[in-house]
Amino acid sequence: AQSVTQPDIHITVSEGASLELRCNYSYGATPYLFWYVQSPGQGLQLLLKYFSGDTLVQGIKGFEAEFKRSQSSFNLRKPSVHWSDAAEYFCAVAAVEEGFKTIFGAGTRLFVKA
Amino acid sequence: ETGVTQTPRHLVMGMTNKKSLKCEQHLGHNAMYWYKQSAKKPLELMFVYSLEERVENNSVPSRFSPECPNSSHLFLHLHTLQPEDSALYLCASSQDRDSYGYTFGSGTRLTVV
Repeated sequence: AQSVTQPDIHITVSEGASLELRCNYSYGATPYLFWYVQSPGQGLQLLLKYFSGDTLVQGIKGFEAEFKRSQSSFNLRKPSVHWSDAAEYFCAVAAVEEGFKTIFGAGTRLFVKA
Repeated sequence: ETGVTQTPRHLVMGMTNKKSLKCEQHLGHNAMYWYKQSAKKPLELMFVYSLEERVENNSVPSRFSPECPNSSHLFLHLHTLQPEDSALYLCASSQDRDSYGYTFGSGTRLTVV
């Protein structure tokens, strides 16, 4: 079945360290790609999106993501994590095979230690 | 404030009650969505409205009844719910259906007792 996968259920990173959250998809054509963040008790907030063009996408809050067609990946990165980045992060895709219905990954919970 | 407002933020209801969740957006978006977020489960799309017309109903039980009276408002009417319906219910909107990424509300935390 076509899908979007976030391999890590949770990740712990020290404050100030770099972060990479993984996302892989299994669709033939390149889908639209998104990353969302959800703080506890809140809704999801769009961090960044990729439709086409430059494969390195800049988002809000200092996040960026890189689309790699050869790896069917869209990993989220941040060079230096702040304690306020502790949240759950969702990768999402909208693929032509799904009628551009947005499919969300299961999420990765980020813990930040002092 | 994201531009999508959901009320109430928290709701506790008995299994025989009737209640409604409200969602409001003034972003000029044409599509609105209801999602259910349960612990340890991926987000579940429940309903999609595009230009006030329901375009998708993902096998949701009839005890959940959506209503979209205009392009800015979306309701989810609840009746005779079950404890397993306890979850965070999220409303979202987008410029057009599934095209530009969503703006989410903060959700309604529903507890069915």
